[in-house]
Amino acid sequence: AQSVTQPDIHITVSEGASLELRCNYSYGATPYLFWYVQSPGQGLQLLLKYFSGDTLVQGIKGFEAEFKRSQSSFNLRKPSVHWSDAAEYFCAVGDTGGFKTIFGAGTRLFVKA
Amino acid sequence: KAGVTQTPRYLIKTRGQQVTLSCSPISGHRSVSWYQQTPGQGLQFLFEYFSETQRNKGNFPGRFSGRQFSNSRSEMNVSTLELGDSALYLCASSTRQSLNTEAFFGQGTRLTVV
Repeated sequence: AQSVTQPDIHITVSEGASLELRCNYSYGATPYLFWYVQSPGQGLQLLLKYFSGDTLVQGIKGFEAEFKRSQSSFNLRKPSVHWSDAAEYFCAVGDTGGFKTIFGAGTRLFVKA
Repeated sequence: KAGVTQTPRYLIKTRGQQVTLSCSPISGHRSVSWYQQTPGQGLQFLFEYFSETQRNKGNFPGRFSGRQFSNSRSEMNVSTLELGDSALYLCASSTRQSLNTEAFFGQGTRLTVV
């Protein structure tokens, strides 16, 4: 069965510093991968997605993610973090068997001034 | 274009009661999925409806049920509420034409069971 692991429960970075959030997936074929962001009290917003093609995917708000099949990873990156990026980030994989999305546990990002 | 609308935003119920949550998807979207979000379990898939048919169901007890109407609006019902049902319930809509189709989430309904 598909699964998604986000090893870091929370991460703290300084404003202006670079960011990398880790995501590992378990899936037999080429996965459909997503990164979502959730601000407090809000629903989830899609940052970017990957399903084929170029392994470096650009998303909204200056985020990008790189798909590495050999490492079963889909890490999210941003070169310079802004205070408004403080939120919870979810990596997810599309389940081909059942039209559902499987989410990781999430990584909460704290940004310090 | 209006987003996904969930009502109500907040709800407080007593153990043993039942509750109905509503989700209005984006116009033209025929797929509606429901998720339960709790601090301990994260985002757990409840069920997905497409054109009034339930296509998939997560591992939740039968107390959790849902339906979808011909206008794609969806409701989920939880009967005999338990304290552990306290959670943020999120609805997502999509065209669901393929698995890489983006799902758009509502702001959720925060259910508190006392």
